[in-house]
This record gives sequence, structure tokens and C-alpha cells, in this order.
Amino acid sequence: GIQVEQSPPDLILQEGANSTLRCNFSDSVNNLQWFHQNPWGQLINLFYIPSGTKQNGRLSATTVATERYSLLYISSSQTTDSGVYFCAVERDNQGGKLIFGQGTELSVKP
Amino acid sequence: DAGVIQSPRHEVTEMGQEVTLRCKPISGHDYLFWYRQTMMRGLELLIYFNNNVPIDDSGMPEDRFSAKMPNASFSTLKIQPSEPRDSAVYFCASIRGQGVYNEQFFGPGTRLTVL
Repeated sequence: GIQVEQSPPDLILQEGANSTLRCNFSDSVNNLQWFHQNPWGQLINLFYIPSGTKQNGRLSATTVATERYSLLYISSSQTTDSGVYFCAVERDNQGGKLIFGQGTELSVKP
Repeated sequence: DAGVIQSPRHEVTEMGQEVTLRCKPISGHDYLFWYRQTMMRGLELLIYFNNNVPIDDSGMPEDRFSAKMPNASFSTLKIQPSEPRDSAVYFCASIRGQGVYNEQFFGPGTRLTVL
């Protein structure tokens, strides 16, 4: 099956710093989503981004489908950004089945 | 919209007991997914439905697990009998359907502890 690898596995930042999280996938996909799992366990949709670039406030994401990777950028990080960031992909014609990476655990220190 | 609704939010039970988790998808969504999250295995898909029909249950760990979707607004995941290794957070998610835009939305999850 398709492999989804996220890096780095852990990241500690000082408040105000910028960061880039990476997601590599091993096969072509027709769906890619980034989620933030907050300390209370809620999975929050950040981006639906099978290709191209999107921005939402301090967050932005870019997916280069032909090279099988996606990047999530966090600028001017805040303590509320702490949590685990997941990348999830769906292969073509898989009925919406998402395969999740193992996540990047981010800790933003004040 | 209220989003995906799950109940209960927390469940503590003893080994051998039956556990039933419930999910209400977003209105108008015709796909529903059940996931399990553990430290060891991460987030894994258990089963999903399209128009109330189970499409792929290959992720269901064993016969002790069963899922139903009697109508478009309700699904259950049942574990009978429960075991300590079933302790996990169970998420339900839904999407509108295949097409140009397939963003999947998750419920708050049910944290299950089997003693």
C-alpha cells in the first residue's frame, strides 16, 4: 500500500519562530489533507490540498503532486500551535480512504 | 452545521462487556468512516460506508468488532466482548462524496478504556 512519511517526528520551537513540516508519499494521490490534533485530541482540518498552494493566516501549504510531497509552513508560531500535525492521503479511486502519516509533534515554548 | 457528532465522549468499561459507539455524520454527507487511534499504530481506518452500505471493512481487527449504518444520519461501532487492547480513541468522519472536493471532517472522538 501507499506509504506516508512525515518529518521531522518532533519539533520544539520558541514562540515567534517559523517552521516547515514535510510529508512524502509513495504513490500518486487525488486527495491530501493536513490536520492539527490539538492537546484535547480534536482533529482539526487545516488544508485540503491535493496540489498547488493555499494560505490561511499564519499557515500555508504546498503540494507538488508530481514529486510526491507536501509542505506545511507555520510562521510566527504561537503556543496554541502546539500539538500533532498529520498529513493524510487518498489514492485514486479509493472511495475517500485516508492513509495517515505518523505525524509531527510540535511544541511551541513561550 | 453541527459537524460530526459522536457519543459517548468517554467510555470506561470492564473486559468482556459490550461497548457501542455512536456517530452522526454531517447532513448531506454520503460517506462515513470509522478510525481508531493508538500510540502504537497511529490512526487507522476500520471500516467505511457509502450510502449506508459497508464498502470496505478490511481494517476491522477481528470478529469482535462490528459496524452498522441503519440510515443516513446514524452509525454504530460495536465491540463484543471488549478487551483491554481495544483501549483507544475511536473517530468517526464523513465526506460529501467522490468528486472534485473530498475534504473529510472528523468528529471529536470517543476515548475508550477497557479495564
